[in-house]
Amino acid sequence: GQNIDQPTEMTATEGAIVQINCTYQTSGFNGLFWYQQHAGEAPTFLSYNVLDGLEEKGRFSSFLSRSKGYSYLLLKELQMKDSASYLCAHSTSGTYKYIFGTGTRLKVLA
Amino acid sequence: SAVISQKPSRDICQRGTSLTIQCQVDSQVTMMFWYRQQPGQSLTLIATANQGSEATYESGFVIDKFPISRPNLTFSTLTVSNMSPEDSSIYLCSVPTGISAYGYTFGSGTRLTVV
Repeated sequence: GQNIDQPTEMTATEGAIVQINCTYQTSGFNGLFWYQQHAGEAPTFLSYNVLDGLEEKGRFSSFLSRSKGYSYLLLKELQMKDSASYLCAHSTSGTYKYIFGTGTRLKVLA
Repeated sequence: SAVISQKPSRDICQRGTSLTIQCQVDSQVTMMFWYRQQPGQSLTLIATANQGSEATYESGFVIDKFPISRPNLTFSTLTVSNMSPEDSSIYLCSVPTGISAYGYTFGSGTRLTVV
């Protein structure tokens, strides 16, 4: 089957670093995505990993280990505006279909 | 990446009625997807809207409840039929950006409340 797990909620302090983990199981893998979703808004794309390793993009980095079915999103120098839900999703090879995790609600405190 | 205009942004509907949601894309796209996001939950794929053929529905979703139209490569509608309070959700359309590395672009969503 296909399954994605990520923590429901996390809290961190402004200026700190936070790591949001995601584990997945799939019969066919074609990439791992992270999306950010502010309350009441549509998800917006953050990152994409298809090969093992770390992809860095400014304050946000994403890591993938295909053999472990594991990814994380690393947010550095947290800002209040980073308070949002972070959705992990994977795509299945041969299709454009994506399976989304339930999302991690991150609260950044002053 | 594509820009999607989705409407209505929100609606409050009586049970038993139907609501049609529209998505207009500023470029031609082969596939368009419709998702539902129930309160506090993640996105669940309802169906893939195919131009020139019937939509492809995911397990648990049927055409009678969620009829979809795709008259051309820039437009699609999703109808939520015979609504009940359990249909209260955010409904989103999305399209591939065309490059796998950039995933999906989402419409702004339709927040539906059924009373």
